[in-house]
Amino acid sequence: EPEVTQTPSHQVTQMGQEVILRCVPISNHLYFYWYRQILGQKVEFLVSFYNNEISEKSEIFDDQFSVERPDGSNFTLKIRSTKLEDSAMYFCATRGQGAGNTIYFGEGSWLTVV
Amino acid sequence: EDKVVQSPLSLVVHEGDTVTLNCSYEVTNFRSLLWYKQEKKAPTFLFMLTSSGIEKKSGRLSSILDKKELFSILNITATQTGDSAIYLCAVIRSGGSNYKLTFGKGTLLTVNP
Repeated sequence: EPEVTQTPSHQVTQMGQEVILRCVPISNHLYFYWYRQILGQKVEFLVSFYNNEISEKSEIFDDQFSVERPDGSNFTLKIRSTKLEDSAMYFCATRGQGAGNTIYFGEGSWLTVV
Repeated sequence: EDKVVQSPLSLVVHEGDTVTLNCSYEVTNFRSLLWYKQEKKAPTFLFMLTSSGIEKKSGRLSSILDKKELFSILNITATQTGDSAIYLCAVIRSGGSNYKLTFGKGTLLTVNP
């Protein structure tokens, strides 16, 4: 079964540092998403991305966050200046085109901000 | 604001038991409901339900959607220890192709040998 691949699997960073999380989508998928899950809480939508632009973002996705697909393959989430409350599992998800296509999740990147 | 409520929040059963997990929702312009299984990390897709009353099956798992009463159930028969996981329910609104998922809190299922 095709996979969404995320790196790193785990990152520890100091508060205020920049972090980049990377995702390789399933080939031919055109819709990309980032979700996050704080320990013990719901999976929450952050942002959706299609045709090289953000199509929707949540309130969580403030100016500290950005996404891009710089080389046509990797889809990245950047957090410019991390805060303690950014500690969470970040999931990349992708979807193919067409009404029946579902959303597949990567294994996640566990971010710990200290 | 879209709401997805799952019950129970946790459930402990013995191998061989049958379980029913519930998901109710309130969403503007409902399109589809999805079930995922989350073991250690990534939510793994189980079912996508769009039409009411049509059961979807995969092995010992099955699910059905009731769009009139706004809920779905996920059944697992003859449970095994490998079924232990968090089961997530999520909904998608219609309109556009964005497919943003709104998740419930999940049901933690523990299957004891």
